[in-house]
Amino acid sequence: QVQLQQSGAELAKPGSSVKISCKASGYTFTSYDISWIKQTTGQGLEYIGYINTGSGGTYYNEKFKGKATLTVDKSSSTAFMQLSSLTPEDTAVYYCARIRVAFDYWGQGVMVTVSS
Amino acid sequence: DIQMTQSPPSLSASLGDKVTITCQASQNINKYIAWYQQKPGKAPRQLIRYTSTLVSGTPSRFSGSGSGRDYSFSISNVESEDIASYYCLQYDNLWTFGGGTKLELK
Repeated sequence: QVQLQQSGAELAKPGSSVKISCKASGYTFTSYDISWIKQTTGQGLEYIGYINTGSGGTYYNEKFKGKATLTVDKSSSTAFMQLSSLTPEDTAVYYCARIRVAFDYWGQGVMVTVSS
Repeated sequence: DIQMTQSPPSLSASLGDKVTITCQASQNINKYIAWYQQKPGKAPRQLIRYTSTLVSGTPSRFSGSGSGRDYSFSISNVESEDIASYYCLQYDNLWTFGGGTKLELK
């Protein structure tokens, strides 16, 4: 069955970076793109961007350009998102999701907490 | 960018009630709307795609309708397991979520 397994919770200091992963299984990884989504209590669900898992090509929501960097390792069927120059406003749950027109399968989410 | 206005933000229902949530897009989204259910501490789960197509495993008490800019999602005969938050998502032009609706038990 299709599964997206994300890495564990992160506690980071302001100004630092974190890199979270999303390992896919149960399907051909390069057949579907992967998107990343941010969820906060105040802002709801926000689309960060997506990566073409075959070519590595990326598209970013304007709001997250310079904040998020998406990469992929086809050999391990894993997508990554690095968040840089962290501020308390980056504290959120981050999900990866498979794109099959809409987002059909989601990872379990990673809680990123930014605090000094 | 397409904006999605979802209402109401919260909803209180009794078991067995029918409830309806609406999403209005800022432009025609050609029926490219999906609906998701999210329970606390869990990832969203897709229930409906393309306005009214139930995803495999979605109970038949869930339904969706609409066209153009205006869409709705309904649950007939609310059950206790339906207590959750619900989100719409347009995927006509990239992706935009609605603000969510929290369904609570009256």
